[in-house]
Amino acid sequence: EADIYQTPRYLVIGTGKKITLECSQTMGHDKMYWYQQDPGMELHLIHYSYGVNSTEKGDLSSESTVSRIRTEHFPLTLESARPSHTSQYLCASTGLSSGNTIYFGEGSWLTVV
Amino acid sequence: QKEVEQDPGPLSVPEGAIVSLNCTYSNSAFQYFMWYRQYSRKGPELLMYTYSSGNKEDGRFTAQVDKSSKYISLFIRDSQPSDSATYLCAMEAGNTGKLIFGQGTTLQVKP
Repeated sequence: EADIYQTPRYLVIGTGKKITLECSQTMGHDKMYWYQQDPGMELHLIHYSYGVNSTEKGDLSSESTVSRIRTEHFPLTLESARPSHTSQYLCASTGLSSGNTIYFGEGSWLTVV
Repeated sequence: QKEVEQDPGPLSVPEGAIVSLNCTYSNSAFQYFMWYRQYSRKGPELLMYTYSSGNKEDGRFTAQVDKSSKYISLFIRDSQPSDSATYLCAMEAGNTGKLIFGQGTTLQVKP
């Protein structure tokens, strides 16, 4: 059972608003990831972190930013949301305690109107 | 061309059928192969994890990897209505967690 939590699960906001999607894990994993999934499409990696104060952009370009101040916490922020940001955002983590298998959170469904 | 190709389906089978789900890939550097199950509005749940070529069995699920053909499969025996979900293949070259996913195959098992 994966102990990785995302909030909010569902969010509808207006264009231009700033939003932060929260992700926390209690497994002590050093590696954390954000994937983006449009309906019926593949998941694409947008950000990853291999430890505190370490963040990198993934294969899919994204206007979002991330931070990793604490091991267990990896929030994703959109400074000014647009309708093109409407998607599902999935947080994942892995580490030695889970044999390097990757666990996903339940996802955050974002709709920008 | 996508690095990982997966037939999106949908695939509809009667309860008790054997289901075969497949992915092909183009990057010969991939060494770690995974199958995830995703229910509607939920996060992906890891089903099978294999390294390099070969077979791996876990209950009703069997994963096969053929690196020479760049082809992986997931077999589900005695399929149940609760198996109805989207099945995602995923793979990576190094043990980095930077996964490349297929599009997912939607499976419906009818009672």
